[in-house]
Amino acid sequence: AQSVTQPDIHITVSEGASLELRCNYSYGATPYLFWYVQSPGQGLQLLLKYFSGDTLVQGIKGFEAEFKRSQSSFNLRKPSVHWSDAAEYFCALRSNDYKLSFGAGTTVTVRA
Amino acid sequence: DAGITQSPRHKVTETGTPVTLRCHQTENHRYMYWYRQDPGHGLRLIHYSYGVKDTDKGEVSDGYSVSRSKTEDFLLTLESATSSQTSVYFCAISEAVDNSPLHFGNGTRLTVT
Repeated sequence: AQSVTQPDIHITVSEGASLELRCNYSYGATPYLFWYVQSPGQGLQLLLKYFSGDTLVQGIKGFEAEFKRSQSSFNLRKPSVHWSDAAEYFCALRSNDYKLSFGAGTTVTVRA
Repeated sequence: DAGITQSPRHKVTETGTPVTLRCHQTENHRYMYWYRQDPGHGLRLIHYSYGVKDTDKGEVSDGYSVSRSKTEDFLLTLESATSSQTSVYFCAISEAVDNSPLHFGNGTRLTVT
């Protein structure tokens, strides 16, 4: 069975600092991986996705993620955070029957 | 944004009453999903549909049923609401292609008193 783990429940970062959110997965086949962001009271917005090919994928809002098969990880990064990046972030894995399994999420707080 | 409408957006109901949540899409996507979101659990799949009248259970399906009589509508019914079903419910859709992500509605906040 597949699973997704986000080890950090909450991260606080200063505006302008870099951000890295961790995601580890367990899956027996080639993973299809996603990062979503959720602002308070909103639905989930897709940041980026990985299916194959280049292991460094670029997304919207200046985010990128790196797939590392040897570490079963798909960490999300942003070089310089903005106050508007404060939100909850979810890593997700799609199985071959098109279902999506989510991690528990990481809440990001941005301090001035 | 994907054309997904969830209704109602908010609902308060009493324990033991049936409740139906509706998801309507205008994208003609084959797959539709119902998730619930609870603190510390992320999103958990309740039921999903892979076509008209084709549905299957997710990881937290007990106490819920679904129906999909046409492509655009996917209904979630709580047969007899319990306080443990107080949650935020999200509908999502996707195309049936390998690189298709899920697109989410804005959610329904359900409170069972």
